Amino acid sequence: NAGVTQTPKFQVLKTGQSMTLQCAQDMNHEYMSWYRQDPGMGLRLIHYSVGAGITDQGEVPNGYNVSRSTTEDFPLRLLSAAPSQTSVYFCASSPGTVPDTQYFGPGTRLTVL
Amino acid sequence: DAKTTQPPSMDCAEGRAANLPCNHSTISGNEYVYWYRQIHSQGPQYIIHGLKNNETNEMASLIITEDRKSSTLILPHATLRDTAVYYCIVLPRGTASKLTFGTGTRLQVTL
Repeated sequence: NAGVTQTPKFQVLKTGQSMTLQCAQDMNHEYMSWYRQDPGMGLRLIHYSVGAGITDQGEVPNGYNVSRSTTEDFPLRLLSAAPSQTSVYFCASSPGTVPDTQYFGPGTRLTVL
Repeated sequence: DAKTTQPPSMDCAEGRAANLPCNHSTISGNEYVYWYRQIHSQGPQYIIHGLKNNETNEMASLIITEDRKSSTLILPHATLRDTAVYYCIVLPRGTASKLTFGTGTRLQVTL
């Protein structure tokens, strides 16, 4: 199993640009989530999903959209990038529909100029 | 979910046991204690969880006090690769929708 994969590893955007961060898992996990971690700071939950077709907001959802059309994929869309969204983005998945024991991806390092 | 309190930082000599404490005095009867760690620039990693009995796996041991108000994560023979931020999290097992990370304990393992 590849586990949780994230692409790209690094990305630089200009203010106002949009992009999609990709996340995929091959463990047939129902639960998936997105966190962001600002430099020197803690992890904050952006959005999560308990299964295909179901998504919900976390602590910091503004400026981000998600969708879950398949069990495997959970892309995160930045609608209009802002410098405040410069961060490392981690995707995770967990067996079942709960976040108890999550497997995290390697992260996407995003810089918005 | 119950709040947890952890020391901001700890040091440990390589080869010695690292004992990381966590206070969760408001824990409810259906809440479990989970531990994760985050090695620098990597995604967090699940370590272990428990309800009231001591638990052990290939990574660590978890000791929960009888009153369940505190717990200790034990890395029996710490190595330099165990240097990381360790997070203690309390969750109702099987029913939570979100997992929130606090500030954790930064463990520095030294030669």
